[in-house]
Amino acid sequence: TQLLEQSPQFLSIQEGENLTVYCNSSSVFSSLQWYRQEPGEGPVLLVTVVTGGEVKKLKRLTFQFGDARKDSSLHITAAQPGDTGLYLCAAVLGRRALTFGSGTRLQVQP
Amino acid sequence: DVKVTQSSRYLVKRTGEKVFLECVQDMDHENMFWYRQDPGLGLRLIYFSYDVKMKEKGDIPEGYSVSREKKERFSLILESASTNQTSMYLCASRPSGQNTEAFFGQGTRLTVV
Repeated sequence: TQLLEQSPQFLSIQEGENLTVYCNSSSVFSSLQWYRQEPGEGPVLLVTVVTGGEVKKLKRLTFQFGDARKDSSLHITAAQPGDTGLYLCAAVLGRRALTFGSGTRLQVQP
Repeated sequence: DVKVTQSSRYLVKRTGEKVFLECVQDMDHENMFWYRQDPGLGLRLIYFSYDVKMKEKGDIPEGYSVSREKKERFSLILESASTNQTSMYLCASRPSGQNTEAFFGQGTRLTVV
């Protein structure tokens, strides 16, 4: 059982559609991060959310941290083929270890 | 530009061989990590290090060891490679602090035959 559960595991949509990806846990975190990984590359940080209920926007991406700081969501508006990739949520555990969710693989068809 | 460099993009090794995966970062980060990535399982933490010569086990340390003799370099060692260690291995570093960003290398695709 993973500490961070992501859903859905896989999403294939048409260009212009909206989508939401979820990251859930039974643990409370001081912060959550979202990364995107493109084929052949390592993950790259998109955003860090710190405060319960916080909403952050990055162009067409909207990130929300749950009020209880146990979950987070990523909403993409009008998805484009360039959004294709693996989306990973991550949280710091214990001293310094960064743990990741299982990931959501997004494919946006032109 | 910040950089995490892994020594090989692709490796093919035989069962039973001792395998070294090297990672170097140029950002003076205290923390370094080794993950393996398999389809549907996300990134699973093997080992991490928070200082020179210091290490802690992650979620799946069995069959692996690590070495950090210098701050910039973190090595992952497969003592006796097995086919179930065929995977993508990712190295990362991040500075101290709760919300700091992790920087990743491009990964090493290891195949054990």
